[in-house]
Amino acid sequence: DADVTQTPRNRITKTGKRIMLECSQTKGHDRMYWYRQDPGLGLRLIYYSFDVKDINKGEISDGYSVSRQAQAKFSLSLESAIPNQTALYFCATSDFPQGELFFGEGSRLTVL
Amino acid sequence: GDSVTQMEGPVTLSEEAFLTINCTYTATGYPSLFWYVQYPGEGLQLLLKATKADDKGSNKGFEATYRKETTSFHLEKGSVQVSDSAVYFCALRSGYQKVTFGTGTKLQVIP
Repeated sequence: DADVTQTPRNRITKTGKRIMLECSQTKGHDRMYWYRQDPGLGLRLIYYSFDVKDINKGEISDGYSVSRQAQAKFSLSLESAIPNQTALYFCATSDFPQGELFFGEGSRLTVL
Repeated sequence: GDSVTQMEGPVTLSEEAFLTINCTYTATGYPSLFWYVQYPGEGLQLLLKATKADDKGSNKGFEATYRKETTSFHLEKGSVQVSDSAVYFCALRSGYQKVTFGTGTKLQVIP
C-alpha cells in the first residue's frame, strides 16, 4: 500500500458542486500539504499544516478550504467548484523542516 | 520572493545521449535545492538534493551541483535510458519555508 493515499483518484463534477479530496498517510509525518498542478505552471501550494492544530494558506488558497482531522488525515474541499479548478491535485507530507516531500499519486479533478 | 526557472520542454533525446536540464533560482539566504521526478501517472518523488554551496547531489546516474555564484542547479546524466522518460522539477526550500517548484521539464527518450 502507498504511504500517502489520495481519494478519489479521478472525479468529474459540475460547476457549483461541493467536492472533497481526501489524503491519508502512514508515514507518521506531522507536516502535510496540498498542491495543485497545471500544465506549464508547475506545482502551486494551496494549503499546508505543520500539525493537527496548525493550518496555513499557501499561494493559491482562494476557493479552497482544508481540514486536518488527525495527524494522518488532511482533506481539501472546494465549496463551490468552478471550471478553472480543473487540475491535478497532490497531497504531500514531510517529516521535518528540511526534509523531502513525499507525494500521493494525485487526484484528477474535472469541473464541467 | 523565491522563484525557480527551468528550461522549457519537451526535451527529446535518443537513448544513451547526454542530458542537461537547466535550473536557476532566486532566493533569500541559503536554500536547499532539489530535483523531483514525476513518472507517467504517478506523484512526484525526490531524485536528488543538495543543501549547501558546492554540494553535489546524485542518484540513479543523475547529478546536480549547487552553484551559489551562478544560482544554478543543473541536472545532468551521461547516458539516458527510455525508462528516464518523465517530467523533472527543480525546487528549492528556504529555511523552514515552503518548497517552491519550477514549471517542470518533460523528457522523452526514444530508443
